[in-house]
Amino acid sequence: GAGVSQSPRYKVAKRGQDVALRCDPISGHVSLFWYQQALGQGPEFLTYFQNEAQLDKSGLPSDRFFAERPEGSVSTLKIQRTQQEDSAVYLCASSLRERPITQYFGPGTRLTVL
Amino acid sequence: SQQGEEDPQALSIQEGENATMNCSYKTSINNLQWYRQNSGRGLVHLILIRSNEREKHSGRLRVTLDTSKKSSSLLITASRAADTASYFCASFSYNNNDMRFGAGTRLTVKP
Repeated sequence: GAGVSQSPRYKVAKRGQDVALRCDPISGHVSLFWYQQALGQGPEFLTYFQNEAQLDKSGLPSDRFFAERPEGSVSTLKIQRTQQEDSAVYLCASSLRERPITQYFGPGTRLTVL
Repeated sequence: SQQGEEDPQALSIQEGENATMNCSYKTSINNLQWYRQNSGRGLVHLILIRSNEREKHSGRLRVTLDTSKKSSSLLITASRAADTASYFCASFSYNNNDMRFGAGTRLTVKP
């Protein structure tokens, strides 16, 4: 079956613009994660959903970052008033169960804020 | 912030040699996982070792875990040019249901 997909793959935004990044998890996967990966670094946790419930958003760097998963499937990560420091690859991962032992990652969205 | 450190940051070897990467973490864990990332791609799960295990094998991969030292190592034997990638360890705890990644080791295998 299809893996985790993300769109767009690349996004260039002017500073101050709002962006929305989409994640389509593997069908039936309960858990969904968002990570931010800066160049040359490992992924850093942003937020976690179990079905439609956002159980942990402790990694979101500011209140400009907002994530939702209204029907427990597709998720959107929204960044308002983008800043240059938001430039990174945003990775989405999904996992079959509530306890996400193994996560399946999408290819990521590379965001560049000019 | 990153959970731990990986060592070395970069490793360059010849095809056929073994590659060893180390990882340290900070808090108690339930398991530790290793992932691989090719340039511009997402991460691919390689192997998981539970906190009550000391060593695990999968094909050419061998992982060890020392919970007393809060460290793990990944050994890739008989490396191939196709093994060129970045390798990340990720520690997982049931307490917070999220994975904490290290900064990664960039492995280059020369043909």
